[in-house]
Amino acid sequence: QKEVEQDPGPLSVPEGAIVSLNCTYSNSAFQYFMWYRQYSRKGPELLMYTYSSGNKEDGRFTAQVDKSSKYISLFIRDSQPSDSATYLCAMSTINTGTASKLTFGTGTRLQVTL
Amino acid sequence: SAVISQKPSRDICQRGTSLTIQCQVDSQVTMMFWYRQQPGQSLTLIATANQGSEATYESGFVIDKFPISRPNLTFSTLTVSNMSPEDSSIYLCSFVEGSNQPQHFGDGTRLSIL
Repeated sequence: QKEVEQDPGPLSVPEGAIVSLNCTYSNSAFQYFMWYRQYSRKGPELLMYTYSSGNKEDGRFTAQVDKSSKYISLFIRDSQPSDSATYLCAMSTINTGTASKLTFGTGTRLQVTL
Repeated sequence: SAVISQKPSRDICQRGTSLTIQCQVDSQVTMMFWYRQQPGQSLTLIATANQGSEATYESGFVIDKFPISRPNLTFSTLTVSNMSPEDSSIYLCSFVEGSNQPQHFGDGTRLSIL
């Protein structure tokens, strides 16, 4: 069993839809949770970075963490064609600057259509 | 945050040869990392590049195959040695600016071995 599971998609939605992207994990020691967006032929770009359980909002993006269920989500409101990309979840056990190893999901490919 | 650049962006190499990938950050950062991203798979950490000392390698990666240098706080190189077609992948570097900060990634090097 992988430490982090993520549905690879592809996920196709019409413009303006609400998108829900999810990851589950098995390691209860994960404390920090991140979502990255990766466009084709580009590196991962940090979207959201959270520590505790609960919600964090940034514009059209909301990250949700449920440590009791070992489940994280990224919601995208009013999705745009420019949101078409691969979304990667990542998590780490500690983040002290000396040991920030990230464990990634395989990524979900999202296509927002006109 | 700091800006990271990586080169070359892509290369096609002959089997048995070696290639050195460079990663430059425009300000001093505490930690730098090297990842491999294979098609349909998660990003996998190769090693943590330590300034002034030997890199710390993850299980399955060895210094003879992936020698890493980090001569200062802004620069690191990864060499892929004695390449075979199985080394065809995207290689990414990342950095952390300080404690409890997330990782930021370069755009990667797309490597194909014939």
